[in-house]
Amino acid sequence: SAVISQKPSRDICQRGTSLTIQCQVDSQVTMMFWYRQQPGQSLTLIATANQGSEATYESGFVIDKFPISRPNLTFSTLTVSNMSPEDSSIYLCSAYGMSGANVLTFGAGSRLTVL
Amino acid sequence: GENVEQHPSTLSVQEGDSAVIKCTYSDSASNYFPWYKQELGKRPQLIIDIRSNVGEKKDQRIAVTLNKTAKHFSLHITETQPEDSAVYFCAASRNTGFQKLVFGTGTRLLVSP
Repeated sequence: SAVISQKPSRDICQRGTSLTIQCQVDSQVTMMFWYRQQPGQSLTLIATANQGSEATYESGFVIDKFPISRPNLTFSTLTVSNMSPEDSSIYLCSAYGMSGANVLTFGAGSRLTVL
Repeated sequence: GENVEQHPSTLSVQEGDSAVIKCTYSDSASNYFPWYKQELGKRPQLIIDIRSNVGEKKDQRIAVTLNKTAKHFSLHITETQPEDSAVYFCAASRNTGFQKLVFGTGTRLLVSP
């Protein structure tokens, strides 16, 4: 399975500001996925980050609010823009390993609290 | 798109009992069904998965069954232990090449000593 590192692990942010979360994978992967997990809730897919093309967003999520970059096959960023308290969540990066095991692996997550 | 429902939302058992968590999915094209365990404050981790070409898969105390006709699959944990206490998520995907997973709503399992 891929090893995925995320940072920051947590942050406290002010309303109206933006924060960028970084995700680094230890091997090249085709697709990376960004999920949101609100407190006590399930995992909701925000978007699929494709290398060399724009991210594919799920219903209810838009690029202006959650811009994503994917400059190469091992790295992606998710920005949460113009934050409000409703954006307080854990944001998780994930990817499938390239070693043959078809397992979606998650990073440890970035816990954002918006005041 | 795919929709995955999961029941129950909470499950309390005594140590040594069995636990069963059930999921249904809507997309008949889905053919990959993993289960993830998430301990408090930790990342979700895969514990077992099943593909549509088999009806059951076992790994020690954990088993998953799949009924493609009815579009439901279940997680079975036998001889539960306190360390099995966690939130369990089922998921589904078409898996035609590293596709996105759609997750169920989660089941909080509490195993009491």
